[in-house]
Amino acid sequence: AQSVTQPDARVTVSEGASLQLRCKYSYSATPYLFWYVQYPRQGLQLLLKYYSGDPVVQGVNGFEAEFSKSNSSFHLRKASVHWSDSAVYFCAVSTPNTDKVVFGTGTRLQVSP
Amino acid sequence: ETAVFQTPNYHVTQVGNEVSFNCKQTLGHDTMYWYKQDSKKLLKIMFSYNNKQLIVNETVPRRFSPQSSDKAHLNLRIKSVEPEDSAVYLCASSLWVEQYFGPGTRLTVL
Repeated sequence: AQSVTQPDARVTVSEGASLQLRCKYSYSATPYLFWYVQYPRQGLQLLLKYYSGDPVVQGVNGFEAEFSKSNSSFHLRKASVHWSDSAVYFCAVSTPNTDKVVFGTGTRLQVSP
Repeated sequence: ETAVFQTPNYHVTQVGNEVSFNCKQTLGHDTMYWYKQDSKKLLKIMFSYNNKQLIVNETVPRRFSPQSSDKAHLNLRIKSVEPEDSAVYLCASSLWVEQYFGPGTRLTVL
């Protein structure tokens, strides 16, 4: 069965700094990968997704993620964070031939002024 | 733009009471879900419902039950709430693997 690990429960960065949130997955083949964001008192929103092809995928609000098969990773990046990026970010994994999605434990991002 | 609607936003009740939460999606999706999110933001899937097929997470207590009138609606009933049921309940829908979430219902059990 597939699984996903987000090793950092909390990340704090200064406004304007670059960001990387880590995500590692466990699956024998190439999975489908997602990043979701949850702002306070809201549901989860899809930021970006990877199914196949170019390992770097672009999302909304300047976010991008890079799939690495050799590292079993799908890290989220942003070149310059804004205070409004403060939220909880979830990595998720699914596999072909199933509609089951497994979510990571989330990383809480705090952007300091 | 919200396409998965949940009511109520908040609910406070006492131990032993019955509660019911509503969820409606306007995306035309075939599958709907209920998740429980605890205070540490951990997500736990409770149910998925697709074409009248219900898949239940075996760890969900029997006092929880989903109720569906059509593929656009999936409500959640808790027969007799317990203190550990205090959480945010998130409804979602999907056409395939991309899930779209509602804003959640926060339940507080006194």
